[in-house]
Amino acid sequence: DAGVTQSPTHLIKTRGQQVTLRCSPKSGHDTVSWYQQALGQGPQFIFQYYEEEERQRGNFPDRFSGHQFPNYSSELNVNALLLGDSALYLCASSSGLGPQHFGDGTRLSIL
Amino acid sequence: DQQVKQNSPSLSVQEGRISILNCDYTNSMFDYFLWYKKYPAEGPTFLISISSIKDKNEDGRFTVFLNKSAKHLSLHIVPSQPGDSAVYFCAASDVNYGGSQGNLIFGKGTKLSVKP
Repeated sequence: DAGVTQSPTHLIKTRGQQVTLRCSPKSGHDTVSWYQQALGQGPQFIFQYYEEEERQRGNFPDRFSGHQFPNYSSELNVNALLLGDSALYLCASSSGLGPQHFGDGTRLSIL
Repeated sequence: DQQVKQNSPSLSVQEGRISILNCDYTNSMFDYFLWYKKYPAEGPTFLISISSIKDKNEDGRFTVFLNKSAKHLSLHIVPSQPGDSAVYFCAASDVNYGGSQGNLIFGKGTKLSVKP
């Protein structure tokens, strides 16, 4: 039973570029949440998708957008990249009242 | 303003002894609390959770205690093993979309080192 999978593992971009990160949820999960983790900090909530709609959003600018597909997989898009967007991006999936299960993340570096 | 606080950045414990990790929160609306363990280069792994209607939950070597009046929870690991060495995150949630958990708010983590 595959857990949450994320791609790519690592990514290097330059300021001003755009990036798309991908996530496949754990089998049986229908809800996908995205988090940003800076060095030495806990993960910070970006947004959550359920039934292909953004259900809840954290304190992130509109440059951060997402999508959920009918098979429950999800994408995180970031436009006009800034140096401060360098972080580990984590995807988590869940179902009902169950706990969120995380993937291993995408390490994004902005030069 | 940090709503979930883990005031100890690190903790060192001898193998076989008890590890106690602490977490404080400020939002009395939080109704669900979780502990995650994170190894380097891996995502957080769910360990154990507790609902606000309970004050204790056990799973093998792991026990979580919740003191709502003090807005404090703790994770006890007994006995501690070298493989438990990792960063432990406390997380809380205050949203329930009619049967589904919303966003998690995390502390900054405590790095646990279990020495053989």
